[in-house]
Amino acid sequence: DQQVKQNSPSLSVQEGRISILNCDYTNSMFDYFLWYKKYPAEGPTFLISISSIKDKNEDGRFTVFLNKSAKHLSLHIVPSQPGDSAVYFCAASALGAGSYQLTFGKGTKLSVIP
Amino acid sequence: DGGITQSPKYLFRKEGQNVTLSCEQNLNHDAMYWYRQDPGQGLRLIYYSQIVNDFQKGDIAEGYSVSREKKESFPLTVTSAQKNPTAFYLCASISGGAGDQPQHFGDGTRLSIL
Repeated sequence: DQQVKQNSPSLSVQEGRISILNCDYTNSMFDYFLWYKKYPAEGPTFLISISSIKDKNEDGRFTVFLNKSAKHLSLHIVPSQPGDSAVYFCAASALGAGSYQLTFGKGTKLSVIP
Repeated sequence: DGGITQSPKYLFRKEGQNVTLSCEQNLNHDAMYWYRQDPGQGLRLIYYSQIVNDFQKGDIAEGYSVSREKKESFPLTVTSAQKNPTAFYLCASISGGAGDQPQHFGDGTRLSIL
């Protein structure tokens, strides 16, 4: 049973427009949510996170919104750039067995068209 | 520069053979993790270690083994018992125990069956 779901395997956006990547979760015990960006044949790199007690966090062109009642979060990228083309993973963090563990979604492949 | 080094980048295994994937970090991080990524899938946790000489099974530990004799090193052995070892393997580490601390990833090892 997937606890973190990214229902859109891919997304295409024109350069300069907004990219919105969505993520849903089922476990109410998640404390933090993180977004990672991954290029082919490389490891994921951390983008931005949000605590479950907040509803928005912003860092430059990246903003994450959390709707706790709907168990939904989204990553907004404005403006989108060709270098943003990558796979984006949503991850949720919960305390288990003495340490925080990450549960990942399956990822959304973003293509930014010049 | 501090980081996580995984080697080799590509690895081939014959049927019935054990292979070991290397993961070294110079970030002075306490916790280290091994994930497996299959095409179109998220990252799934194989094993993790919070301190030296201690490690716990993740969600898909069967057919894998690890050791943590040094803080800097967390090698993963894919045994012959792992019937479907072809995948992209990622090692990660983290310094603290807070849930919003991002994990730092290596660039991965792609394992294939000959």
